Amino acid sequence: GAGVSQSPRYKVAKRGQDVALRCDPISGHVSLFWYQQALGQGPEFLTYFQNEAQLDKSGLPSDRFFAERPEGSVSTLKIQRTQQEDSAVYLCASSLMATGSNEQFFGPGTRLTVL
Amino acid sequence: SQKIEQNSEALNIQEGKTATLTCNYTNYSPAYLQWYRQDPGRGPVFLLLIRENEKEKRKERLKVTFDTTLKQSLFHITASQPADSATYLCALPLRFYGNNRLAFGKGNQVVVIP
Repeated sequence: GAGVSQSPRYKVAKRGQDVALRCDPISGHVSLFWYQQALGQGPEFLTYFQNEAQLDKSGLPSDRFFAERPEGSVSTLKIQRTQQEDSAVYLCASSLMATGSNEQFFGPGTRLTVL
Repeated sequence: SQKIEQNSEALNIQEGKTATLTCNYTNYSPAYLQWYRQDPGRGPVFLLLIRENEKEKRKERLKVTFDTTLKQSLFHITASQPADSATYLCALPLRFYGNNRLAFGKGNQVVVIP
């Protein structure tokens, strides 16, 4: 079946521009995660959804970052007034259950470059 | 929250040999630990999970150990092949509560030389 897809794969934004990154998780997966991965680093947790409920947004670096999953499937990560330090790969992952230890299925990521 | 250490230096290894990677963690003892593989330009791919009450887990040519006293996991690739060349990430629950959010190490690059 289809895996996790993300779009766009690449995004170049001018500083101050707003961007929206989309994630299509595996159908039926309850949990959805967003991570930020800087070059040479591991993914860093941003936020977590269980169905449509955002249960944890403790990793969002500032109030310029906003995520939603209104119908419990597709999710959008929005970054307002982008800054150069926002340049990174944004990864989306989904897992079947809400309980811990479930493997996470990752999308290919969106590489964001802020000029 | 968790602090995770993986060797930042790439591991160059001859084809056919065993590659061994180390993941050390601090703070609380996690209920499980996961290993992922990441290729350039792609998202991580799940490989193995080991629980705190398991000493060792195997999957084909992969073996993971989990020492909760040392707060360390070892990841072994036996009979390594050039196709095993990638970055390997260990991941643990980010916090004791909400234990499906993961904290990742920086990853350890493996290069298998034919």
